[in-house]
Amino acid sequence: DAKTTQPPSMDCAEGRAANLPCNHSTISGNEYVYWYRQIHSQGPQYIIHGLKNNETNEMASLIITEDRKSSTLILPHATLRDTAVYYCIVRTNRDDKIIFGKGTRLHILP
Amino acid sequence: NAGVTQTPKFQVLKTGQSMTLQCAQDMNHNSMYWYRQDPGMGLRLIYYSASEGTTDKGEVPNGYNVSRLNKREFSLRLESAAPSQTSVYFCASSDQPMNTEAFFGQGTRLTVV
Repeated sequence: DAKTTQPPSMDCAEGRAANLPCNHSTISGNEYVYWYRQIHSQGPQYIIHGLKNNETNEMASLIITEDRKSSTLILPHATLRDTAVYYCIVRTNRDDKIIFGKGTRLHILP
Repeated sequence: NAGVTQTPKFQVLKTGQSMTLQCAQDMNHNSMYWYRQDPGMGLRLIYYSASEGTTDKGEVPNGYNVSRLNKREFSLRLESAAPSQTSVYFCASSDQPMNTEAFFGQGTRLTVV
């Protein structure tokens, strides 16, 4: 059972920052927050993950609240190619299972 | 750099037929997974293998069997296909425990008629 809650869909104008929220109010101390995305019908693609500090890589930034009950994935300059379903997942580094929720369908508007 | 390779990419089966979906990874990962994705839905975990020689049920294991043949290969078998198993099947692998980014194959699109 997924431990996260995400809005089913969001729109963002091309060139603007896309901010995707995720609620994980039952997260435990050793659980990481992971983000993946799935473009059209391709296999999901890893984006970023973090424990409690904010993280940034070439694709996105991850902002985790101080109480760790929620996080936001930021795509700084969204393009049409960022149109996808974005999944927020929590798991420990020793969890064998990776359980996906329903994700957020992000539409980038030209 | 192949990553995770799934075969076949497409398959049509008649109800009651059997088949095996193949998955191989070349990243020396310990963990491997099988998911299904129905149209317009999210991914659901069928089976996973935390290491060579071990397999465990996921969220929706009924109607499937798996084999972790060696560290590289993890196969999914449908013994008697049903129309309800029409789906896209994804295989994934990840390293444990330190680097848990999972890599996915491109999927097998299975139709059972």
